Amino acid sequence: QVLLLQSGAEVKKPGSSVKVSCKASGDGFSNYAISWVRQAPGQGLEWMGGIIPLFGTTKYAQKFQGRVTITADESTTTAYMDLSSLRPDDTAVYYCARQLASRGAFYAMDVWGQGTTVTVSS
Amino acid sequence: IVLTQSPDTLSLSPGESATLSCRASQGLGSNYFAWYQHKPGQAPRLLIYGVSSRATGIPDRFSGTGSGTDFTLTINNLDPEDVAVYYCQQYGSPPLSFGGGTKVEIK
Repeated sequence: QVLLLQSGAEVKKPGSSVKVSCKASGDGFSNYAISWVRQAPGQGLEWMGGIIPLFGTTKYAQKFQGRVTITADESTTTAYMDLSSLRPDDTAVYYCARQLASRGAFYAMDVWGQGTTVTVSS
Repeated sequence: IVLTQSPDTLSLSPGESATLSCRASQGLGSNYFAWYQHKPGQAPRLLIYGVSSRATGIPDRFSGTGSGTDFTLTINNLDPEDVAVYYCQQYGSPPLSFGGGTKVEIK
């Protein structure tokens, strides 16, 4: 059974950066994509971007281009989401999620991490 | 692709059927469409993928239909454990997108 275990809650100042990790247990890490999805308070789910380690493919939502970097370390089966220039409206729960993937496509998200709360406040 | 869900909230009695709708701003050329259930304090859970295929462990009370721009999630025999927000999603070629969600309540 695959599990995704995320790092703990963070409190950050505006203008700083946050890096959230997502460690996958089980086999086949490189054969899947990992996406990052966030939910701000009172809002819906928002796809930020994803990575397909097998193909070295990374895609980002336009809204986050230039501020988010998603990476993966296959040796430790861990994915990372780095968000910079934080603003108070980046306060949200951030989830990682596993997907089957092909060279250019991300499929349905069948396994999710437990979520990481990031609070941005001065 | 923008996904618009309706209604915003659905309030029904146990045993009733819930019909949730999702409309895409443009036709999906594939069946890359999913539904998720999201309960407070939990991670979202995949219910339906490929428009109509149930994910592992999902009871057959949940069913998905649709094509093109209009998609539907039906929950039969509503149970109090079904209280959640339900999101539709289109996937495949990025960017992926979610609908705004429909909250299902039990009267």
